[in-house]
Amino acid sequence: DAKTTQPPSMDCAEGRAANLPCNHSTISGNEYVYWYRQIHSQGPQYIIHGLKNNETNEMASLIITEDRKSSTLILPHATLRDTAVYYCIVRVEGSARQLTFGSGTQLTVLP
Amino acid sequence: GAVVSQHPSRVICKSGTSVKIECRSLDFQATTMFWYRQFPKKSLMLMATSNEGSKATYEQGVEKDKFLINHASLTLSTLTVTSAHPEDSSFYICSARDGRNTEAFFGQGTRLTVV
Repeated sequence: DAKTTQPPSMDCAEGRAANLPCNHSTISGNEYVYWYRQIHSQGPQYIIHGLKNNETNEMASLIITEDRKSSTLILPHATLRDTAVYYCIVRVEGSARQLTFGSGTQLTVLP
Repeated sequence: GAVVSQHPSRVICKSGTSVKIECRSLDFQATTMFWYRQFPKKSLMLMATSNEGSKATYEQGVEKDKFLINHASLTLSTLTVTSAHPEDSSFYICSARDGRNTEAFFGQGTRLTVV
């Protein structure tokens, strides 16, 4: 799986959009971008994934650049409960292999 | 999304004893489950891959005789930490995949403290 690079930490004001970047410059053509988050002392939670088109669901939006070398996870209206470590993972869709977690970004939503 | 239940959420045990952690897929069948370990302020590290009806595959550096994994059914995998020592204290997390979906689902995690 391609390696990803994320900033170690970010702050965001409550109610504002949180934009979390991820670089994956070695991504292959059949690899998807997945985002998970881990709230303190809980297991990771799936957020969203995409290949090349922008994706949106009830939790977040995923913007992938045209060259697919980077992406941004957007939480449109961050709440205090969104404080967590956010992991960007690149992998082949449907792969039976395990998820490989990097360091992630610690997002702190401030009141 | 699919639900993965992990039990117990917290356990404290004495050094030298064994602890069993259960991971259940509640509404889907999981042919493969993964066990991760996480130290404070660190990322998740894969310990082993558990396949139903066969022996688990352990990552390099993980002692298979110390961390016993059993995956006897399509909905249950167990991790037993044998002869636990204080350095085994950690957050253990299981994950299961639903063959119909592409994302993995995680248990709530188990905080093990060995005293």
